[in-house]
Order: sequence, then C-alpha cells, then structure tokens
Amino acid sequence: KQEVTQIPAALSVPEGENLVLNCSFTDSAIYNLQWFRQDPGKGLTSLLLIQSSQREQTSGRLNASLDKSSGRSTLYIAASQPGDSATYLCAVMNTGNQFYFGTGTSLTVIP
Amino acid sequence: NAGVTQTPKFRVLKTGQSMTLLCAQDMNHEYMYWYRQDPGMGLRLIHYSVGEGTTAKGEVPDGYNVSRLKKQNFLLGLESAAPSQTSVYFCASTPAGFQPQHFGDGTRLSIL
Repeated sequence: KQEVTQIPAALSVPEGENLVLNCSFTDSAIYNLQWFRQDPGKGLTSLLLIQSSQREQTSGRLNASLDKSSGRSTLYIAASQPGDSATYLCAVMNTGNQFYFGTGTSLTVIP
Repeated sequence: NAGVTQTPKFRVLKTGQSMTLLCAQDMNHEYMYWYRQDPGMGLRLIHYSVGEGTTAKGEVPDGYNVSRLKKQNFLLGLESAAPSQTSVYFCASTPAGFQPQHFGDGTRLSIL
C-alpha cells in the first residue's frame, strides 16, 4: 500500500522568505503527483501536476520537482506572501487510478 | 462556473440513519471521486468512477455505496450511519486520470 509522508507538519516563515515543502512516497510506481492547496473550511485547489516522466513543473512563484526513483517531491515557494498561508498537500496516483494523499504541511507566512 | 458542487454542506445524523450525499459537476468530466478527510489521516479515497454507469472501490469503501447513473452526478450513500463515519467528505472530478482534480467545498457530517 502506498504511504505518503509530508514533512514538516507545520511551518512558519517571515514574509519574503523562500521555502521548500517535502513529500515522500513508498511505492515509486506512480502515474503522477499533484500538489494542492487547502484553505480552512474549503476544498482543495490543484497547484501543480507532475507526470511520472517529468522532473519538474513551474507555475508563477511555485516550482515542484519529482524524483520518482527516490520517492521524493518538493514544492518550492519563492518570495512567500501572507496569502500563501494554507495547508499544502501532495497526492500520488498509482496506475490503478487511485490517489493517495499526505497529511499536509500547514504554512503560516508572517507579515 | 459552478465547477463541483456538493449537497448538503452540513448534516447531523443519528446512529443507524441513512443519507445520500450528492456531487454534481458541470465540466463534463469522466472521472469522479469521493474522499473523506479526518484529522491526522489526510484524505482517503472511498469510491471512484471512471465514467457513467461505472464505480470502483477505493481505500476505505466499507459502509458506503455509490452510484453514477448520470455523467454529471456521483452519489455517496450511507446505509446505516456509524459514529466512525463522522468526517468531512470531499468530491472531486477530472477529465482523465492524468489531469488535475477539481474539488468541491466538502460536506461536514456528524453522526451522534
């Protein structure tokens, strides 16, 4: 069974700092990996999706990398802003159409 | 655009009661999913559908049933609610498995 771990569980940084969120998974036979953002009381918003054949994806100040062989992904956020405060989740899709989520990293950006 | 709409947003049930959660999407997506989110557990897949008339079990299917009679709707049923089913339920859809999922805002369900 696929296990997805996110470290740290919580992170607090001053505004303007660059930061890295980590995601690891136990089974490297994945189809893709997605990073999501969840605001309190809301659903999830997809940020970036990396196919298993890709190494990274970029969107604005966000960059996600994937090292399938080592079972790791990172989400890099540049020049953090208070509006980036949210919980960030990663999810991997196995070849059987099933998604497995990590428990998330709660990010607070202090003005 | 409505996207993914979940009904109801909140509900309180007594143990043993039944209910159905409705998920509706207006994006003509083939794939639909039901998840539950519990503190410290992350999201876990309950059931999913890869097209109208199809359903499949996810990671935690026991105690739930689903139906996908119309492409735009995916129903999640609890036949006899138990306190362990207290959770936040999320529905998601995607055009295909290799494309991003779109989530609803969730249904907060409490079972007393």
